[in-house]
Amino acid sequence: SYMLTQPPSVSVAPGTTAAITCGGDRIVTKSVHWYQQKPGQAPVLVLWYDSDRPSGIPERFSGSNSGNTATLTISRVEAGDEADYYCQVWDGSVDYAVFGGGTKLTVL
Amino acid sequence: QVQLQESGPQLVKPSETLSLTCTVSGGSISSYFCSWIRQSPGKGLEWIGYSYSGAGTNYNPSLKSRVTITLDTSKNHFSLKLRSVTAADTAVYFCASGSGRLFDRWGQGTLVTVSS
Repeated sequence: SYMLTQPPSVSVAPGTTAAITCGGDRIVTKSVHWYQQKPGQAPVLVLWYDSDRPSGIPERFSGSNSGNTATLTISRVEAGDEADYYCQVWDGSVDYAVFGGGTKLTVL
Repeated sequence: QVQLQESGPQLVKPSETLSLTCTVSGGSISSYFCSWIRQSPGKGLEWIGYSYSGAGTNYNPSLKSRVTITLDTSKNHFSLKLRSVTAADTAVYFCASGSGRLFDRWGQGTLVTVSS
């Protein structure tokens, strides 16, 4: 089955840039979606189809997908960005969703 | 604005069936992929399965033998049944929907505890 690998944690200072990676075999051939989850809340879609932002998501959130790695980049990080971030793809060969293990973003 | 709300028992006994319903407002479930996703305490997200009126139903292979997801378009809700539960099925259960194979609307989640 298809697997996605994320670093367990990323720490950055406020105002800097955070990069959260999502690794998978030839992930470039798949559409990657990213979710932000704050404690006690449901996840929120922050990027879809690799790099598109849903309505209401700040331009500070961007994404890329190349080779075996997709990346969520958050520019000018704010304290309010502290959360768990999950990547997700759809494994079309078996028709089901796959989530990465999640990355906890800490704003120092 | 599509909104989702889970409902159902918060405590289920081992070996019994967990049953949850997701009521959708602001849009027709016939138009969306309707999914269930769960999160064990302190863990990541686990997709359980989906149902879509235009494409059928599919489930996570690890749960497939115990799961059923059904759509009720007359009530605009969809349901989850998970049979023969154990303590390992204790989790927050989310319903979610998407116009494609992603999840752009989520319910708030409901904690279901499996315990005698």
